[in-house]
Amino acid sequence: AQSVSQHNHHVILSEAASLELGCNYSYGGTVNLFWYVQYPGQHLQLLLKYFSGDPLVKGIKGFEAEFIKSKFSFNLRKPSVQWSDTAEYFCAVKSTDSWGKLQFGAGTQVVVTP
Amino acid sequence: NAGVTQTPKFQVLKTGQSMTLQCAQDMNHEYMSWYRQDPGMGLRLIHYSVGAGITDQGEVPNGYNVSRSTTEDFPLRLLSAAPSQTSVYFCASRRGGGPSEQYFGPGTRLTVT
Repeated sequence: AQSVSQHNHHVILSEAASLELGCNYSYGGTVNLFWYVQYPGQHLQLLLKYFSGDPLVKGIKGFEAEFIKSKFSFNLRKPSVQWSDTAEYFCAVKSTDSWGKLQFGAGTQVVVTP
Repeated sequence: NAGVTQTPKFQVLKTGQSMTLQCAQDMNHEYMSWYRQDPGMGLRLIHYSVGAGITDQGEVPNGYNVSRSTTEDFPLRLLSAAPSQTSVYFCASRRGGGPSEQYFGPGTRLTVT
């Protein structure tokens, strides 16, 4: 069975600071990897995804993530956060077979202070 | 396209009542699923379907039923609501067969008293 671990449950930082959220997964096979964001009161939106190829993927709103296969990690980064980045961030993993189920981490609540 | 739609947005039930949460998608996606979101636990899969007439259990299926009579619709039924089912419920869909992203509905906030 696969599992997903997000290192931090809550992160508080100031505007312009850099953000890095850790995500590790446990699964023996090939995976697809995702980061979703949930702004207050809204549903989940896809930030970025990794299917194959370049392990450094760029998403929307200046976010990027790096897949390190040897470490089973898919950490999310943003060089300079804005107040509008206040949200909950979820890492998710899916095996690559057609009907693989999407497994979510517990989420990291990020608060950006002005 | 409307994407994934859910109704109702909010619902309050008394313990023991039953209800159905509706979910529909207009993207012709084969795969549909229901999650519940609870603080500190992320999203947990309740049930999923890989096509009309095919459903299976996820991580937390107890107390919920689903059916998939059409590609578009995937309702979630609470048979006898319990306070432990107070949660936010999200429906999602995606293409089958190969890498694809999952699209989420706006959610239903359910409170069971």
